[in-house]
Parts: sequence; structure tokens; C-alpha cells
Amino acid sequence: SAVISQKPSRDICQRGTSLTIQCQVDSQVTMMFWYRQQPGQSLTLIATANQGSEATYESGFVIDKFPISRPNLTFSTLTVSNMSPEDSSIYLCSVVRGPLQETQYFGPGTRLLVL
Amino acid sequence: AQRVTQPEKLLSVFKGAPVELKCNYSYSGSPELFWYVQYSRQRLQLLLRHISRESIKGFTADLNKGETSFHLKKPFAQEEDSAMYYCAPNRDDKIIFGKGTRLHILP
Repeated sequence: SAVISQKPSRDICQRGTSLTIQCQVDSQVTMMFWYRQQPGQSLTLIATANQGSEATYESGFVIDKFPISRPNLTFSTLTVSNMSPEDSSIYLCSVVRGPLQETQYFGPGTRLLVL
Repeated sequence: AQRVTQPEKLLSVFKGAPVELKCNYSYSGSPELFWYVQYSRQRLQLLLRHISRESIKGFTADLNKGETSFHLKKPFAQEEDSAMYYCAPNRDDKIIFGKGTRLHILP
């Protein structure tokens, strides 16, 4: 398994501001993912963050809105920029582990409320 | 388009009755398939994956390539099985989640 922590665990932010979410893993991993889970919805993949290269964004998500950093193999950040109430969601960090890189583990999530 | 479908948003089953959570996928090739579970106030966790053909907490799931299905089954439901269940194919090293089915076990 993987031990994944996220900071902050929750936050309440004002419209127009930005929030950076941190994800820390207990050991080195190649692939890290950022997901969003809006209220009452399933998880939606935002982007894949690989160390040493730019993040790869899914359709509907752009770097200007969700800049991602991946400075090393145990850490990543996701910034939610110029927030609006529609960004209120749980943001989850995830990593892949296993001999075949087949098992995905999730962090506890960051619960964001934008007023 | 590649997608995964969980047709039931909510499934209520009496304790002791059999459970089947449906999942259909429309991916080309042979995606790896997973079931994830999220219990109340807990983080999302892996329940089982089709490549290992294991049984976890009494749940099994068989990949049916002909029907492109990966239904989750348990012969006798228990109250602690109440949770949100997500079917999730892994394609191109990315896991894409279905909309999920909330399983509610009735006493």
C-alpha cells in the first residue's frame, strides 16, 4: 500500500482567490494523478503529473486553471486558480503502485468550499 | 467513445440477499478493470481487480469480454457492505471512474 497525505484537509475560500493543495507520498512513485469529486458525483481525472515533465491534462481541464507541480518523486501540488463556487469539490491525489503499476491508491482528499 | 457505465445509482438489498452491482464498459482492446469502494467518511480504496481473480470481503467480479461487463457480486449481503462502489477501467495507465452505485443494505 501507499501512505498519502494531503494538505490542507479542507478550506473555505473566497471567489477569485487561489488555493494550492499539497500531496506527499511515503515513497517514490512515477505517476501521480489529481482527481476532482464534485458533490454527489463520481471522480473525474484532472491531470497526470509525472516528475520531470509537464502535467498531462484531461479534456475540460487546462493548465492556467489547474497548474500542477511535480518537483520530485514523492511530492506534487495542484493549484486551483481564480476560484468560483463551481470549483467547490473534493480534490484527491492518487498514485500507482504494484509490480505491474496496476494498483491505484488515493489520498484522503482536500475538501474545498468556494464562497 | 471509451466509457464505463454503472446503470444503477442506488441499489437497496436486504441483509443476507445476493448482491450484483452492474458495470459495462466500451473500451477497445483489453482494459484492466477494478472495483473501488468508499465507505462512509473513509477514503476511496481498492476492492478488487480482475487480473488477480481474487475474492475480497466475499465479493467477486468476472470479466465477460463478450458482454463487455464486469459485474460485482456477493452471495449474501452484510450491513457493513453499505458503501459507494465504483467500477474503474485502467486504460493507458489512467483509471477512469464510473458514476458509482450506492449500495444500501437493509436490515
